[in-house]
Amino acid sequence: DAKTTQPPSMDCAEGRAANLPCNHSTISGNEYVYWYRQIHSQGPQYIIHGLKNNETNEMASLIITEDRKSSTLILPHATLRDTAVYYCIVRVASGSRLTFGEGTQLTVNP
Amino acid sequence: DSGVTQTPKHLITATGQRVTLRCSPRSGDLSVYWYQQSLDQGLQFLIQYYNGEERAKGNILERFSAQQFPDLHSELNLSSLELGDSALYFCASSFQGGSNYGYTFGSGTRLTVV
Repeated sequence: DAKTTQPPSMDCAEGRAANLPCNHSTISGNEYVYWYRQIHSQGPQYIIHGLKNNETNEMASLIITEDRKSSTLILPHATLRDTAVYYCIVRVASGSRLTFGEGTQLTVNP
Repeated sequence: DSGVTQTPKHLITATGQRVTLRCSPRSGDLSVYWYQQSLDQGLQFLIQYYNGEERAKGNILERFSAQQFPDLHSELNLSSLELGDSALYFCASSFQGGSNYGYTFGSGTRLTVV
């Protein structure tokens, strides 16, 4: 699975959009981009995933660049409950494991 | 409630002891994954079972073992416990061995070795 690079921490004001970047320059054609988050000491929570098209669900939007070497997770209206570590993971769909890196600690401030 | 049930939620035991952590996957999920999260190491993949058989192994110590039963629940056995085994242990499940829809995690078992 391709390696990802994320900033260690980010801050966002409550009610504003949070844009979390992820670089995955060695991604292969059959690898998906997955995003998970972990709120303090809870089990990681699936957010969204995509292959090459932009994706949106009730939690977030995922923007993948045309060359697929980077992506951005967007939380459109961040709340205090969105404070968590966000993990960007690249993995083939049929891969057996999720490999978690360091992630980005997002802090949403009042 | 994610649908993945882990018991117990908390466990305190002494060095040298053996403990068993239990995981019941989400209904219909065939794969179970175990992860360890220590304070200084992040989430580490330990082992995966699919429909009762071991599918993949990560950085799992020889003192640790796991199995998945016919009803698909899984147990992680930790023996000869050391202080460094203190961690959160998470179980996750998915429908297939390589689900395109990601995993569902349980709320974890916090193990403290004293």
